[in-house]
Amino acid sequence: AQSVAQPEDQVNVAEGNPLTVKCTYSVSGNPYLFWYVQYPNRGLQFLLKYITGDNLVKGSYGFEAEFNKSQTSFHLKKPSALVSDSALYFCAVRFSGSARQLTFGSGTQLTVLP
Amino acid sequence: ETGVTQTPRHLVMGMTNKKSLKCEQHLGHNAMYWYKQSAKKPLELMFVYSLEERVENNSVPSRFSPECPNSSHLFLHLHTLQPEDSALYLCASSHDETGRVGYTFGSGTRLTVV
Repeated sequence: AQSVAQPEDQVNVAEGNPLTVKCTYSVSGNPYLFWYVQYPNRGLQFLLKYITGDNLVKGSYGFEAEFNKSQTSFHLKKPSALVSDSALYFCAVRFSGSARQLTFGSGTQLTVLP
Repeated sequence: ETGVTQTPRHLVMGMTNKKSLKCEQHLGHNAMYWYKQSAKKPLELMFVYSLEERVENNSVPSRFSPECPNSSHLFLHLHTLQPEDSALYLCASSHDETGRVGYTFGSGTRLTVV
């Protein structure tokens, strides 16, 4: 079965430190991969996507993600975290050949401590 | 503003009430979606519309009734809801139903059923 997982409900990191938010997927094809961020009482905002090409994708607000096909992962990273990065982060996958939807993970709450 | 506008932002309704959620986009997108977001759960896709035609209904109870009168507007009509239907309801749109370039989300309607 095709699925996407965010293994950590909560990630805490000190301001200025690097951050990683994990995402893994299970699929029998080539997926399209996305990261979204949600601030309190707001909808989801697009951060970045991987469709094809370079495995390292750069997105908004200094975030980047690396597509690792052998590990079926698409972890979100940032070299130096800001307090304002604190939010709920969602990984999403559109599996090639599937119907018309993105499948979202359950979300990871990132808290950056001052 | 993302270009997808949802109204109202908050809604409290009794179990016998009838109400409607509204979503509007003027991004020129041809596909629109309703998602339900409950705490600590993945986003649940409810309905997908492409060019005003419903193309997906993910086993949603009949007390939720979508309507898409044109490609810019999407409604979710609610009647005889249950307390477990309390959640954040998110509308999204995309260029087309393939979702290859990702979705644009509205800020959501926070629904409380009492």
